[in-house]
Amino acid sequence: EAQVTQNPRYLITVTGKKLTVTCSQNMNHEYMSWYRQDPGLGLRQIYYSMNVEVTDKGDVPEGYKVSRKEKRNFPLILESPSPNQTSLYFCASRPQGNYGYTFGSGTRLTVV
Amino acid sequence: QKEVEQNSGPLSVPEGAIASLNCTYSDRVSQSFFWYRQYSGKSPELIMSIYSNGDKEDGRFTAQLNKASQYVSLLIRDSQPSDSATYLCAVFKAAGNKLTFGGGTRVLVKP
Repeated sequence: EAQVTQNPRYLITVTGKKLTVTCSQNMNHEYMSWYRQDPGLGLRQIYYSMNVEVTDKGDVPEGYKVSRKEKRNFPLILESPSPNQTSLYFCASRPQGNYGYTFGSGTRLTVV
Repeated sequence: QKEVEQNSGPLSVPEGAIASLNCTYSDRVSQSFFWYRQYSGKSPELIMSIYSNGDKEDGRFTAQLNKASQYVSLLIRDSQPSDSATYLCAVFKAAGNKLTFGGGTRVLVKP
């Protein structure tokens, strides 16, 4: 089944404790992206990648890191999480060209 | 001004009626337009894409695009209770490879 897989689905952590949210897609898509979704603010892009080793900032990159060492994987790293990073996170991928993103199931992160 | 604007709703429609959702965007160089459906607590699901002016129909859904007016709409015919969800409009620009979402319109279909 073609899909974007994120893990974990739910995560509660403490301020300052580094964490990684994994994302993997099995559709051989070139583009991958991370979004966060907050009430009243909608979906906002954190980082995106156009291919292996090519990444760029989205609208809200502060406090996040990403890497794209393999085409299928695009992990999101929070080096020192803070409570304002409590949110619902989505990974997404799409092929090259005028196509929409396919989203993963989401990761609900709570930072206390 | 937000790049992509939608009325947050809720848009309440009786079962069997037509739900009409609107979206405006600010950047004229926008190239591709998408509608996503998102159920509460779930991920967005792509339901329609449209790239050129006019109408595009897929089942009970019709997307309409007017680039001169910078306006995209989605019609849901014969609305069903299962259509109750938030509908997100998304606009893509190749420059910056950016897909920007509106805030979404919540639709409630009442039996």
